[in-house]
Amino acid sequence: DTAVSQTPKYLVTQMGNDKSIKCEQNLGHDTMYWYKQDSKKFLKIMFSYNNKELIINETVPNRFSPKSPDKAHLNLHINSLELGDSAVYFCASSASGRVGELFFGEGSRLTVL
Amino acid sequence: QQPVQSPQAVILREGEDAVINCSSSKALYSVHWYRQKHGEAPVFLMILLKGGEQKGHEKISASFNEKKQQSSLYLTASQLSYSGTYFCGTEEGGSQGNLIFGKGTKLSVKP
Repeated sequence: DTAVSQTPKYLVTQMGNDKSIKCEQNLGHDTMYWYKQDSKKFLKIMFSYNNKELIINETVPNRFSPKSPDKAHLNLHINSLELGDSAVYFCASSASGRVGELFFGEGSRLTVL
Repeated sequence: QQPVQSPQAVILREGEDAVINCSSSKALYSVHWYRQKHGEAPVFLMILLKGGEQKGHEKISASFNEKKQQSSLYLTASQLSYSGTYFCGTEEGGSQGNLIFGKGTKLSVKP
C-alpha cells in the first residue's frame, strides 16, 4: 500500500482553467502538507492541515485553496491557472506535534500552457 | 527564513567523502535532512533535535550546532546511490509545524 498517494501524477492544462490535485495518506497522521517544487527544484511549503484545521498558510495566491474532507485527505484546488503555476506539487504527511519525518507523495507535475 | 545550503553542487568519485552545510539566521528547534533523486519524491534521512547531537544513517551522518544555528551532513565513502539533491529543512524555535527547506545541494557520484 502506498503511504501517501496523489492523483493525477501528470496534468497538462490551459491558462485560465481550474484544476484539482487529490492527496490521501493511510499512515494515520494528523498533519498533511502541500509543497510546490519549481523548475529550480526549490521546495516551498504552501499549506498544512492539522486535524482539519489550517495551521500554516504561506503567502500563496488565493487562487490556491486546500480542502480537507477528513484527516486522511488534503486536496489542492487551483483556480484561474497561470503559466507560473507550472511545477511539481508534493503532498506530504507527518505525525502530530512538531514536524517529524515527512512522508511525501510521488508528486503531481502540473504544466500550464 | 530559508536556510542557506553550501555548496550548491558537488561532484565526487566513488569512495570519496563530502560535507554539505546548512545555516540559518534564526534560532532553530530542529534540522531535517532529505535526499531527492531525479524524478522522485524527497526521502527523509534524519532529524537533529539537540545541539551537538549526531544521528547516523548508513554511512551518512550529521551534526547540529544549535548555538551557531548550523548543521552539516557528512557523506563518507560515497556510493553511486548517494547521487541526488540533498535538502536541509529547518524548524524555527518559535514556530510549530513550519519546515522550511534550503535550495538544495546537488551531489553527483561518478564511478
